[in-house]
Amino acid sequence: ETGVTQTPRHLVMGMTNKKSLKCEQHLGHNAMYWYKQSAKKPLELMFVYNFKEQTENNSVPSRFSPECPNSSHLFLHLHTLQPEDSALYLCASTAGDPYEQYFGPGTRLTVT
Amino acid sequence: AQTVTQSQPEMSVQEAETVTLSCTYDTSESDYYLFWYKQPPSRQMILVIRQEAYKQQNATENRFSVNFQKAAKSFSLKISDSQLGDAAMYFCAYRSDAGKSTFGDGTTLTVKP
Repeated sequence: ETGVTQTPRHLVMGMTNKKSLKCEQHLGHNAMYWYKQSAKKPLELMFVYNFKEQTENNSVPSRFSPECPNSSHLFLHLHTLQPEDSALYLCASTAGDPYEQYFGPGTRLTVT
Repeated sequence: AQTVTQSQPEMSVQEAETVTLSCTYDTSESDYYLFWYKQPPSRQMILVIRQEAYKQQNATENRFSVNFQKAAKSFSLKISDSQLGDAAMYFCAYRSDAGKSTFGDGTTLTVKP
């Protein structure tokens, strides 16, 4: 256990559904991240939040909408996804620079 | 932009033997941090070892050690006395002084009993 939890662990959704992924960390970290991990592809950084403020958006389609209500919680709202969005979505947090990232177990998303 | 290259998509090692995973990176920065992460089949990625670029001494954590060659921009991971539990995907990661992380494609390590 790294101190970062993600729910749900598995999610199957249709292309017209709306769902949300949740990430929570109890480590007192001030930065949180969303990554996408597809088969045979490197980790793709999606969003970065520092002290609840979004500091990075790596050209992510608008069908992915992040929300960070406080330093401990991070959400990823999903709507009208495409089958190619099926992947493992990882959340991570860090205490800041130059510290390592602590990863959650991920949410395995399947879009049908 | 920084890039991280792991040239070995797959590696295998006999239990109790030693294996080295390679990683090279490209950067114009002088201050940065390097990490090796392990992602076992359970999928929770965990830190294996870290290295600060300003430190000349290679980092060591029990059976894991690195060979950090700053001039060559090389950062390999050596696993000694390999165990079945070491089987996982290993990611090399670069973290800039500004906090931006770049990951390599990963190396899948198989440990044979």
